[in-house]
Amino acid sequence: SAVISQKPSRDICQRGTSLTIQCQVDSQVTMMFWYRQQPGQSLTLIATANQGSEATYESGFVIDKFPISRPNLTFSTLTVSNMSPEDSSIYLCSVEGASEAFFGQGTRLTVV
Amino acid sequence: GIQVEQSPPDLILQEGANSTLRCNFSDSVNNLQWFHQNPWGQLINLFYIPSGTKQNGRLSATTVATERYSLLYISSSQTTDSGVYFCAVVGGTSYGKLTFGQGTILTVHP
Repeated sequence: SAVISQKPSRDICQRGTSLTIQCQVDSQVTMMFWYRQQPGQSLTLIATANQGSEATYESGFVIDKFPISRPNLTFSTLTVSNMSPEDSSIYLCSVEGASEAFFGQGTRLTVV
Repeated sequence: GIQVEQSPPDLILQEGANSTLRCNFSDSVNNLQWFHQNPWGQLINLFYIPSGTKQNGRLSATTVATERYSLLYISSSQTTDSGVYFCAVVGGTSYGKLTFGQGTILTVHP
Protein backbone atom coordinates (compact mmCIF):
# COMPACT_ATOMS: atom_id res chain seq x y z
CA SER A 1 0.00 0.00 0.00
CA ALA A 2 0.97 3.66 -0.32
CA VAL A 3 0.65 6.35 2.30
CA ILE A 4 -0.18 9.77 0.90
CA SER A 5 0.02 13.00 2.83
CA GLN A 6 -1.99 15.84 1.34
CA LYS A 7 -2.16 19.40 2.58
CA PRO A 8 -3.82 21.64 3.38
CA SER A 9 -6.80 19.58 4.52
CA ARG A 10 -9.10 22.55 4.06
CA ASP A 11 -8.96 26.21 3.19
CA ILE A 12 -11.22 29.17 2.64
CA CYS A 13 -9.94 31.50 -0.08
CA GLN A 14 -10.93 34.78 -1.63
CA ARG A 15 -12.01 34.80 -5.25
CA GLY A 16 -9.27 35.79 -7.66
CA THR A 17 -6.51 34.24 -5.57
CA SER A 18 -4.65 30.94 -6.06
CA LEU A 19 -4.12 27.94 -3.80
CA THR A 20 -1.41 25.30 -4.10
CA ILE A 21 -2.14 21.80 -2.80
CA GLN A 22 0.72 19.48 -1.95
CA CYS A 23 0.82 15.70 -2.14
CA GLN A 24 3.66 13.62 -0.66
CA VAL A 25 3.91 9.84 -1.13
CA ASP A 26 5.94 7.48 1.05
CA SER A 27 7.36 5.60 -1.94
CA GLN A 28 8.43 6.37 -5.48
CA VAL A 29 5.64 6.22 -8.03
CA THR A 30 5.61 6.79 -11.75
CA MET A 31 2.22 8.46 -12.07
CA MET A 32 0.23 10.64 -9.72
CA PHE A 33 -3.34 11.67 -10.38
CA TRP A 34 -5.38 14.70 -9.35
CA TYR A 35 -9.17 14.50 -8.98
CA ARG A 36 -11.90 17.02 -8.25
CA GLN A 37 -15.15 16.35 -6.45
CA GLN A 38 -17.68 19.13 -6.75
CA PRO A 39 -20.36 19.37 -4.04
CA GLY A 40 -22.75 16.42 -4.21
CA GLN A 41 -20.97 14.96 -7.21
CA SER A 42 -18.65 12.10 -7.99
CA LEU A 43 -14.92 12.34 -8.60
CA THR A 44 -13.55 13.53 -11.92
CA LEU A 45 -9.96 13.20 -13.07
CA ILE A 46 -8.22 16.54 -13.65
CA ALA A 47 -4.81 15.38 -14.85
CA THR A 48 -2.06 12.81 -14.68
CA ALA A 49 1.33 14.00 -13.41
CA ASN A 50 4.47 12.23 -14.60
CA GLN A 51 7.91 13.06 -13.29
CA GLY A 52 10.04 14.83 -15.87
CA SER A 53 7.27 15.71 -18.28
CA GLU A 54 4.29 17.99 -18.49
CA ALA A 55 1.05 16.84 -16.95
CA THR A 56 -1.64 15.36 -19.17
CA TYR A 57 -5.00 17.08 -18.72
CA GLU A 58 -8.45 15.60 -19.20
CA SER A 59 -11.07 17.23 -21.35
CA GLY A 60 -12.42 20.35 -19.70
CA PHE A 61 -9.31 21.08 -17.64
CA VAL A 62 -6.48 23.37 -18.75
CA ILE A 63 -2.96 24.01 -17.55
CA ASP A 64 -3.49 27.74 -17.04
CA LYS A 65 -6.25 27.05 -14.52
CA PHE A 66 -4.72 23.96 -12.86
CA PRO A 67 -0.93 24.06 -13.20
CA ILE A 68 0.76 20.94 -11.85
CA SER A 69 4.33 20.32 -10.80
CA ARG A 70 6.03 16.95 -10.40
CA PRO A 71 9.64 17.63 -9.34
CA ASN A 72 10.40 14.05 -8.22
CA LEU A 73 8.89 10.59 -7.87
CA THR A 74 7.34 11.21 -4.43
CA PHE A 75 5.86 14.70 -4.66
CA SER A 76 3.40 16.74 -6.70
CA THR A 77 1.50 19.99 -6.40
CA LEU A 78 -1.76 21.19 -7.93
CA THR A 79 -2.51 24.90 -8.09
CA VAL A 80 -6.03 26.20 -8.47
CA SER A 81 -5.58 29.59 -10.11
CA ASN A 82 -7.72 32.71 -10.22
CA MET A 83 -10.35 31.02 -8.12
CA SER A 84 -14.09 31.58 -8.33
CA PRO A 85 -16.87 30.14 -6.14
CA GLU A 86 -17.35 27.42 -8.79
CA ASP A 87 -13.95 26.04 -7.81
CA SER A 88 -15.26 25.14 -4.36
CA SER A 89 -14.66 21.38 -4.28
CA ILE A 90 -12.70 18.60 -2.68
CA TYR A 91 -9.41 18.02 -4.47
CA LEU A 92 -7.70 14.64 -4.06
CA CYS A 93 -4.41 13.22 -5.20
CA SER A 94 -3.98 9.55 -5.93
CA VAL A 95 -1.32 7.02 -6.80
CA GLU A 96 -1.50 3.51 -8.11
CA GLY A 97 0.22 0.87 -6.04
CA ALA A 98 1.09 -2.59 -7.30
CA SER A 99 -2.52 -2.95 -8.36
CA GLU A 100 -4.94 -0.69 -6.53
CA ALA A 101 -5.21 3.07 -6.21
CA PHE A 102 -4.72 4.99 -2.98
CA PHE A 103 -5.87 8.50 -2.16
CA GLY A 104 -4.71 11.35 -0.01
CA GLN A 105 -7.00 12.77 2.66
CA GLY A 106 -8.32 15.43 0.28
CA THR A 107 -8.35 19.23 0.37
CA ARG A 108 -11.73 20.83 0.98
CA LEU A 109 -11.63 24.21 -0.75
CA THR A 110 -14.22 26.92 -0.27
CA VAL A 111 -13.99 30.05 -2.40
CA VAL A 112 -15.80 33.13 -1.13
CA GLY B 1 -14.78 6.24 -22.52
CA ILE B 2 -15.98 3.62 -20.11
CA GLN B 3 -19.28 4.22 -18.31
CA VAL B 4 -19.94 3.26 -14.70
CA GLU B 5 -23.42 3.14 -13.23
CA GLN B 6 -24.22 2.53 -9.58
CA SER B 7 -27.52 1.62 -8.01
CA PRO B 8 -29.40 2.48 -5.98
CA PRO B 9 -28.48 6.18 -5.73
CA ASP B 10 -29.79 6.35 -2.16
CA LEU B 11 -30.38 3.70 0.48
CA ILE B 12 -31.84 4.10 3.94
CA LEU B 13 -31.58 1.23 6.42
CA GLN B 14 -32.21 0.40 10.02
CA GLU B 15 -29.22 -0.74 11.99
CA GLY B 16 -28.76 -4.49 11.63
CA ALA B 17 -30.18 -4.73 8.11
CA ASN B 18 -28.33 -6.13 5.11
CA SER B 19 -27.85 -4.37 1.78
CA THR B 20 -26.51 -4.90 -1.72
CA LEU B 21 -24.99 -2.16 -3.85
CA ARG B 22 -24.49 -2.68 -7.56
CA CYS B 23 -21.97 -1.35 -10.08
CA ASN B 24 -22.36 -1.87 -13.83
CA PHE B 25 -19.60 -0.98 -16.27
CA SER B 26 -19.66 -0.72 -20.02
CA ASP B 27 -16.36 -2.33 -21.07
CA SER B 28 -13.63 -4.65 -19.88
CA VAL B 29 -11.61 -3.36 -16.93
CA ASN B 30 -8.13 -3.85 -15.52
CA ASN B 31 -9.06 -2.59 -12.08
CA LEU B 32 -12.25 -2.28 -10.08
CA GLN B 33 -12.33 -0.82 -6.61
CA TRP B 34 -14.97 -0.04 -4.02
CA PHE B 35 -14.47 2.98 -1.76
CA HIS B 36 -16.29 4.44 1.22
CA GLN B 37 -16.16 8.20 1.52
CA ASN B 38 -16.45 9.39 5.08
CA PRO B 39 -18.09 12.68 6.13
CA TRP B 40 -14.71 14.42 6.03
CA GLY B 41 -14.28 13.56 2.36
CA GLN B 42 -11.61 10.91 2.75
CA LEU B 43 -11.81 7.87 0.48
CA ILE B 44 -11.35 4.60 2.28
CA ASN B 45 -10.31 1.59 0.20
CA LEU B 46 -12.73 -1.28 0.71
CA PHE B 47 -11.91 -3.75 -2.04
CA TYR B 48 -9.68 -4.13 -5.04
CA ILE B 49 -11.70 -6.67 -7.02
CA PRO B 50 -11.40 -6.79 -10.83
CA SER B 51 -12.84 -10.31 -10.66
CA GLY B 52 -13.91 -12.91 -8.12
CA THR B 53 -15.13 -12.62 -4.56
CA LYS B 54 -13.57 -11.14 -1.44
CA GLN B 55 -14.72 -10.72 2.13
CA ASN B 56 -13.59 -8.40 4.89
CA GLY B 57 -15.59 -8.69 8.08
CA ARG B 58 -19.19 -7.62 7.47
CA LEU B 59 -18.40 -6.52 3.95
CA SER B 60 -17.96 -8.65 0.88
CA ALA B 61 -17.75 -8.00 -2.85
CA THR B 62 -18.18 -9.97 -6.02
CA THR B 63 -17.21 -8.97 -9.54
CA VAL B 64 -18.41 -10.89 -12.59
CA ALA B 65 -16.12 -9.42 -15.22
CA THR B 66 -17.67 -11.33 -18.13
CA GLU B 67 -21.05 -9.79 -17.32
CA ARG B 68 -19.58 -6.39 -16.41
CA TYR B 69 -20.94 -5.87 -12.94
CA SER B 70 -19.84 -5.86 -9.33
CA LEU B 71 -21.78 -6.15 -6.10
CA LEU B 72 -20.93 -4.87 -2.63
CA TYR B 73 -22.68 -6.59 0.27
CA ILE B 74 -22.99 -5.01 3.69
CA SER B 75 -24.33 -7.25 6.41
CA SER B 76 -25.59 -6.28 9.86
CA SER B 77 -25.23 -2.61 9.01
CA GLN B 78 -24.10 -0.11 11.64
CA THR B 79 -24.53 3.65 11.84
CA THR B 80 -20.82 4.02 11.11
CA ASP B 81 -21.44 2.45 7.69
CA SER B 82 -23.24 5.63 6.65
CA GLY B 83 -21.63 7.63 3.88
CA VAL B 84 -21.12 7.44 0.15
CA TYR B 85 -19.97 4.25 -1.55
CA PHE B 86 -18.17 4.59 -4.86
CA CYS B 87 -17.31 2.03 -7.46
CA ALA B 88 -14.38 3.01 -9.71
CA VAL B 89 -12.78 1.25 -12.65
CA VAL B 90 -9.74 1.49 -14.87
CA GLY B 91 -10.55 0.70 -18.49
CA GLY B 92 -8.31 -1.35 -20.74
CA THR B 93 -6.14 1.51 -22.03
CA SER B 94 -6.56 4.07 -19.26
CA TYR B 95 -3.24 3.41 -17.47
CA GLY B 96 -4.32 3.92 -13.89
CA LYS B 97 -6.98 6.55 -14.51
CA LEU B 98 -10.04 5.77 -12.44
CA THR B 99 -13.56 6.38 -13.74
CA PHE B 100 -16.01 6.70 -10.87
CA GLY B 101 -19.68 5.88 -10.66
CA GLN B 102 -22.06 8.43 -9.20
CA GLY B 103 -22.07 6.71 -5.85
CA THR B 104 -24.66 5.29 -3.47
CA ILE B 105 -25.53 7.39 -0.44
CA LEU B 106 -26.13 5.03 2.47
CA THR B 107 -27.84 6.18 5.64
CA VAL B 108 -28.10 3.77 8.54
CA HIS B 109 -30.48 4.77 11.35
CA PRO B 110 -30.09 3.45 14.91
